[in-house]
Amino acid sequence: AQSVSQHNHHVILSEAASLELGCNYSYGGTVNLFWYVQYPGQHLQLLLKYFSGDPLVKGIKGFEAEFIKSKFSFNLRKPSVQWSDTAEYFCAVKTGNTGKLIFGQGTTLQVKP
Amino acid sequence: DTGVSQDPRHKITKRGQNVTFRCDPISEHNRLYWYRQTLGQGPEFLTYFQNEAQLEKSRLLSDRFSAERPKGSFSTLEIQHTEQGDSAMYLCASSLLASQETQYFGPGTRLLVL
Repeated sequence: AQSVSQHNHHVILSEAASLELGCNYSYGGTVNLFWYVQYPGQHLQLLLKYFSGDPLVKGIKGFEAEFIKSKFSFNLRKPSVQWSDTAEYFCAVKTGNTGKLIFGQGTTLQVKP
Repeated sequence: DTGVSQDPRHKITKRGQNVTFRCDPISEHNRLYWYRQTLGQGPEFLTYFQNEAQLEKSRLLSDRFSAERPKGSFSTLEIQHTEQGDSAMYLCASSLLASQETQYFGPGTRLLVL
């Protein structure tokens, strides 16, 4: 069965530290990849997405992610986090012809001021 | 705000009661999705519609769950004979079927079954 794995469940960083959140998926075919963020008290918002082309995609608020097909990975990065980045981050995959998203279990990021 | 809206935002019910949730998608979006999210987990797919047709249902969706999208606009999700295990956040998302289909999520309905 298709699945998405986020390795880090809870990450604590100080402001200005660099961030990398891991995401791996299990599916051998064509995939569309997404990172969503959920700030405290708010609904899921799209951070960035990959459909095709340049495997390095840039999203909002300085976030970027790199699709490495050989590693089945789509890791999220930000060079310098801010306190306002405190949130829960979800990686999601869309496979084949189905419209549904398969989500990872999420990573809670806490940024200390 | 022209985003996805859901009603109610919170629902508390007693075990055995029926509940119904409503989702209004972004205008012109022809796909509508339902997900369920429990604490500490990512959203899990339940079902989705393209216009009024229900295209896929998860095996998670027991016979007590039913969803409709009668006119291809808003959708309802009904849970009959609720159980404590149904307590969760129920999320709705909508999208426009296209080569780069992207789902936009609503605020969710939090259900607590006592």
